Amino acid sequence: SAVISQKPSRDICQRGTSLTIQCQVDSQVTMMFWYRQQPGQSLTLIATANQGSEATYESGFVIDKFPISRPNLTFSTLTVSNMSPEDSSIYLCSVEFTSGRREQYFGPGTRLTVT
Amino acid sequence: AQKITQTQPGMFVQEKEAVTLDCTYDTSDQSYGLFWYKQPSSGEMIFLIYQGSYDEQNATEGRYSLNFQKARKSANLVISASQLGDSAMYFCAMREVGAGYALNFGKGTSLLVTP
Repeated sequence: SAVISQKPSRDICQRGTSLTIQCQVDSQVTMMFWYRQQPGQSLTLIATANQGSEATYESGFVIDKFPISRPNLTFSTLTVSNMSPEDSSIYLCSVEFTSGRREQYFGPGTRLTVT
Repeated sequence: AQKITQTQPGMFVQEKEAVTLDCTYDTSDQSYGLFWYKQPSSGEMIFLIYQGSYDEQNATEGRYSLNFQKARKSANLVISASQLGDSAMYFCAMREVGAGYALNFGKGTSLLVTP
C-alpha cells in the first residue's frame, strides 16, 4: 500500500484562528475523504474531496467552516476556520486507490486542540 | 438510523486466546463493502480486513478473519491468538456504492488483551 502523510501531526490553537491540514499520498488515488473524530467518539465524514472541483459536504458541515482543496490526485487540504473548543478532534484523511479492491486507507491523523 | 451497530463497548481477552468482535449492518444496497479498522491510543486508523458483498469466501488476513453472514447482515471480526499489542479500539465500517463510497462507522469496541 502507498504512504499517506498528514501535516501537522498535532497542534494547539487559539479560538478564532484557522488551521490548514495537509494530506499527501505517494501515488494517485481516485477518492479522498476527510473525517473528524471527536474525543471518545467514532469517525464522522466531513466531506469528499473532489479533484478539480468543489468538495461534497455531509449534512452539518459547511464550506465556510471547513474549506477543502484538492488540486491534484495526490494532495488535499482541509482548513478548520474560526476555531472553537468544540473543534478539538482528530482529523483524518482517507484515500481509495485507482486499482484493487477499493480498500480505504487512512493517514496518521492530525490531533487538534483548541484553547 | 444507525447503519453499523457494534454492541460490545468493551471486551477482555486473555493473551493467546481468540476473540470475536460483533458487527451488524443495515443496507438496502446489493453492492457494499465492509471494513474493520484498529485504532491504538496513538490515534491512527489501521486497516485490517475488507469483505465485499459479492465475495463468496470469508476474508482472512493473517490472524484476522471476517465471519460474513450476509443473510443475517453480520460481519464479525475474529482475532486468533491474541497479543498484548492487539489492545485498541476496533471499528467496523461499511461503504455503500449508492452513498458515494465514503465509510459509515460503528461506535467501536475497546479490546483489552490481558497477560
